[in-house]
Amino acid sequence: DAGVTQSPTHLIKTRGQQVTLRCSPISGHKSVSWYQQVLGQGPQFIFQYYEKEERGRGNFPDRFSARQFPNYSSELNVNALLLGDSALYLCASSLVWRGRTPHEQFFGPGTRLTVL
Amino acid sequence: GNSVTQMEGPVTLSEEAFLTINCTYTATGYPSLFWYVQYPGEGLQLLLKATKADDKGSNKGFEATYRKETTSFHLEKGSVQVSDSAVYFCALQVISSGSARQLTFGSGTQLTVLP
Repeated sequence: DAGVTQSPTHLIKTRGQQVTLRCSPISGHKSVSWYQQVLGQGPQFIFQYYEKEERGRGNFPDRFSARQFPNYSSELNVNALLLGDSALYLCASSLVWRGRTPHEQFFGPGTRLTVL
Repeated sequence: GNSVTQMEGPVTLSEEAFLTINCTYTATGYPSLFWYVQYPGEGLQLLLKATKADDKGSNKGFEATYRKETTSFHLEKGSVQVSDSAVYFCALQVISSGSARQLTFGSGTQLTVLP
């Protein structure tokens, strides 16, 4: 079975530009989360979506937005790029969102964004 | 808030040495605890997890025990291999009604195992 897929693998943009990153979850998974991993640090939570609704948002500016589509795939958009947005952007999917049992999040390989 | 503090790296060991990577946490609520591993150029893979106090997670020779009294989840392996060279992340997840189920990660520990 295919794991979480992300596209593109690498991306180079200049300051002020806009970028869209894409994620396809594991088949049957309905929840998608986005994380930013700056070099040398642990991933930081950006968004979580379940059934096309935003279920949580981390401490990121409004330049960051996301959405989830009816097929559960997701896009992360970042406007007005800054040098500090250079990072590995990770997408993770999980089977469900609700309930009190923790559900494992499966990560994709990430999109490496470089802002010049 | 929730936070995870990991032993600073990098850690360099010889093959077959004993490994310990320390992890402590603070959480509002009762967290589940995880260790993830990241190999060069790849995403994160779940290594092991524990969902309640005194649970021991184990996988591929790695072990970690959920210690509520010391708020710790230290990763151990009795005999490391060159193929264990990677970055290891400790993480927690707190489940509460209506809130996101995000993972909170530590800063990661780079492990290099020499032959």
